[in-house]
Amino acid sequence: AQSVTQLGSHVSVSEGALVLLRCNYSSSVPPYLFWYVQYPNQGLQLLLKYTSAATLVKGINGFEAEFKKSETSFHLTKPSAHMSDAAEYFCAVSEGPGGFQKLVFGTGTRLLVSP
Amino acid sequence: GAGVSQSPSNKVTEKGKDVELRCDPISGHTALYWYRQSLGQGLEFLIYFQGNSAPDKSGLPSDRFSAERTGGSVSTLTIQRTQQEDSAVYLCASSLQGTDTQYFGPGTRLTVL
Repeated sequence: AQSVTQLGSHVSVSEGALVLLRCNYSSSVPPYLFWYVQYPNQGLQLLLKYTSAATLVKGINGFEAEFKKSETSFHLTKPSAHMSDAAEYFCAVSEGPGGFQKLVFGTGTRLLVSP
Repeated sequence: GAGVSQSPSNKVTEKGKDVELRCDPISGHTALYWYRQSLGQGLEFLIYFQGNSAPDKSGLPSDRFSAERTGGSVSTLTIQRTQQEDSAVYLCASSLQGTDTQYFGPGTRLTVL
C-alpha cells in the first residue's frame, strides 16, 4: 500500500521568502511522485512529477522538488514566494512503471503569502 | 486543446434523490479516473477506466455509487439515494494510456441537503 504524509496543514511565508512544503511517502514499489496545486474553486494543476529519471525535478512557476530515496521524501521548494503562489498544494504518489496509476494524495498544505 | 470538462459545476439535491455527474475527458485519452474531495476524507480515489478493460471499482465507498464510460469517452458517475455524507467535490481526470500524468477537470460540487 502507498501513502503520503504532508507535514503542516498551513505554511505562511512573506513575499520573496523561501517556500518549503514537506512531503514524505511510503511505497512498497518504486514510486512516481507528483505535486499538484489547487487554486480556490478550481481543479488540480500539475506542478511537477518524478518518474525515476533525474532526482531533482523542475516544474512550472519556479517550483522544484528533490526525490530522496533514503529519506523517502519529495519536498517542494521555491526560492522566492510570490503573492500568486497562495493556494493549496497536494503531494501524491502512484505505482511506478507498469503499475496501477491511481493517485494517493496527502492531506494538502495551504500556502499563505503575506506582503 | 480542450481540457477535461465536467458538468454540472454545482449540484444541490435532497437526501434520497439520485444524481448523475458527467465527465468529458481529453480527446484521445484512454484512461479516466474519478476522485472525491471532501473535508473529512481529503482527496480519495473512486474508480478507474482503462480502454475496454473492466473498470477498477476498488475505491467506491458503497453500492450506491456506480460509474460507466460509454464508447471509451464520456463517463457518468451515478449516486443513488444520496446521503449528506456524499456532499463533496467530485473530480474527474484523464491520461494517455501508458503515461503517468493525469489532467484534472474543474470538478462538480455536490451538496446534499
